[in-house]
Amino acid sequence: GENVEQHPSTLSVQEGDSAVIKCTYSDSASNYFPWYKQELGKGPQLIIDIRSNVGEKKDQRIAVTLNKTAKHFSLHITETQPEDSAVYFCAASMRNNDMRFGAGTRLTVKP
Amino acid sequence: GAGVSQSPSNKVTEKGKDVELRCDPISGHTALYWYRQSLGQGLEFLIYFQGNSAPDKSGLPSDRFSAERTGGSVSTLTIQRTQQEDSAVYLCASSLGGAAEKLFFGSGTQLSVL
Repeated sequence: GENVEQHPSTLSVQEGDSAVIKCTYSDSASNYFPWYKQELGKGPQLIIDIRSNVGEKKDQRIAVTLNKTAKHFSLHITETQPEDSAVYFCAASMRNNDMRFGAGTRLTVKP
Repeated sequence: GAGVSQSPSNKVTEKGKDVELRCDPISGHTALYWYRQSLGQGLEFLIYFQGNSAPDKSGLPSDRFSAERTGGSVSTLTIQRTQQEDSAVYLCASSLGGAAEKLFFGSGTQLSVL
């Protein structure tokens, strides 16, 4: 099955700085790569996703890049704000298959 | 309701007892997932249901864990003879159809085994 590794496990940045979280996956057949944000006491919520036919996707302050050859993808958050503080999970899946998650990154944005 | 609903939100049980956790997915979603999240840890895949296909049970940690999905909708995760290491948040998610689709998560059931 798919194996997803995520780094770093914790990340602390100053408000206004950028944050980057990186993930690698093992199964070259994976074609869908979402990112989820989990706030305390809540279930994870999708913030952005990318499919294998594109290399980059952007939504306001959030962007995701995908390198299929290297089997890695990254989340970029620019102009970070305190409300960006949360745990972020990457995931990878193939169609008609299960979704496997990374171990998570705890992001702290210091005001 | 509009989202994935899980019950109970909190469950405290004694070691050795059986527990049942319930998940009501979003209406029309054919795929349903169970994950376990230990304190401060990532999402551990447990089981995946897709339509009428046989479920993917490859993530269940032991034969004390089982899950079923009745009528393609509500799912129940059962843990028999609970152990202290079963203490965690159990998260359910659903999606429209198969993987490669947005997952909608419930708020989870916090299970504490004393």
